[in-house]
Amino acid sequence: QLHLEESGPGLVKPSETLSLTCTVSGGSINTDNYYWVWIRQPPGKGLEWIGSMFSTGSTYYKPSLESRVSISDDTAKNHFSLRLSSVTAADTAVYYCARQRSRAARGGIDYWGQGTLVTVSS
Amino acid sequence: DIQMTQSPSTLSASIGDRVTITCRASQSIRTWLAWYQQKPGIAPKLLIYGASSLETGVPSRFSGSGFGTEFTLTISSLQPDDFATYFCQQYHTSSWTFGQGSKVEIK
Repeated sequence: QLHLEESGPGLVKPSETLSLTCTVSGGSINTDNYYWVWIRQPPGKGLEWIGSMFSTGSTYYKPSLESRVSISDDTAKNHFSLRLSSVTAADTAVYYCARQRSRAARGGIDYWGQGTLVTVSS
Repeated sequence: DIQMTQSPSTLSASIGDRVTITCRASQSIRTWLAWYQQKPGIAPKLLIYGASSLETGVPSRFSGSGFGTEFTLTISSLQPDDFATYFCQQYHTSSWTFGQGSKVEIK
């Protein structure tokens, strides 16, 4: 059974960089046909896809965040990470890491972390 | 970005009711659509993928349909565990988007 867990600071100051790591256990991130994904949810609001990394290493980002976001992986540690720079209060949200199946593997986000609240405040 | 619009935003229903939620895409996404259920404080759960395929372990009272730009999620007989918020997600392009959510409340 795959398990994903987010870790990182719960409080980030405005204009600084938010950094989160998702540690995956019960399976390898170096597996074909899966995307490793970051999604966020501001308090009381809906889900927002931030970006994804495919098993080939290709990355895809939400256009409105692309200038501030990067996703990378460390296959040796079996984790992937999110960096979001120049944060503002609008970036306050619960951040989820997750696994999405590729279209060839039926699609859909089948595993999620429990989520971690990141608050942007001075 | 492909915009996903759900309706209604909130729905009040009783146990045993048949419930339908609609998701509309701003352009054709063929059947590259998933539905999720989310309860407060918990990560979403995948219900439907490929617009109409039921994820393993999901009760058969849930069903999905649609193609192109209009999709529906149906709960055939609402159960107490089904009061939650439901989201659709398109994965037609490499830039994925979610609907804004539809909350199913107790009537």
